[in-house]
Amino acid sequence: EPEVTQTPSHQVTQMGQEVILRCVPISNHLYFYWYRQILGQKVEFLVSFYNNEISEKSEIFDDQFSVERPDGSNFTLKIRSTKLEDSAMYFCASAGTGFDEQYFGPGTRLTVT
Amino acid sequence: QKEVEQNSGPLSVPEGAIASLNCTYSDRGSQSFFWYRQYSGKSPELIMFIYSNGDKEDGRFTAQLNKASQYVSLLIRDSQPSDSATYLCAVARDGQNFVFGPGTRLSVLP
Repeated sequence: EPEVTQTPSHQVTQMGQEVILRCVPISNHLYFYWYRQILGQKVEFLVSFYNNEISEKSEIFDDQFSVERPDGSNFTLKIRSTKLEDSAMYFCASAGTGFDEQYFGPGTRLTVT
Repeated sequence: QKEVEQNSGPLSVPEGAIASLNCTYSDRGSQSFFWYRQYSGKSPELIMFIYSNGDKEDGRFTAQLNKASQYVSLLIRDSQPSDSATYLCAVARDGQNFVFGPGTRLSVLP
């Protein structure tokens, strides 16, 4: 069974600090996504990435956020200066050529204090 | 503002029954429709993807799409206790920007 992995599983940081969340998508997938889910709330789309560039981003994905695929395997989400309201579960997902091949990683729980 | 609405739930059905989950969406330009299952504390797992009007069946699951009514549903036949989870509906214009509903919690009673 193909698997998306994410590290760390839990990150605690202080307000104003930078965090980098890491994901290893499935190797032959072409589309990469970041989502977040605040505790008890719905899943929210942040950004999609295709062909080494952002293809779509939501209103949440402001200048504090950035994504990179630095080495062809990892896919990272950086939050430059964290706020309390950034506390959430962050999910990475990847998809192949068909959207029925979409898989989510286990998530990183980000806690901003 | 693109919205996706789902039955508030929780929805309880006895084991072996059919569970019916409903979803409506506001964006008429939506082209792809997804159903995910999310167990408590876990990540979403894609169950079904549909883009044409009508029914799509996969095992015990059937997705139904009616674009004119902006409505998509998921039927689970022969419900099992292991189907107890939150079911998320999501829509996308082009497979890039997904808008999720709040989810419906399903409880299948043995």
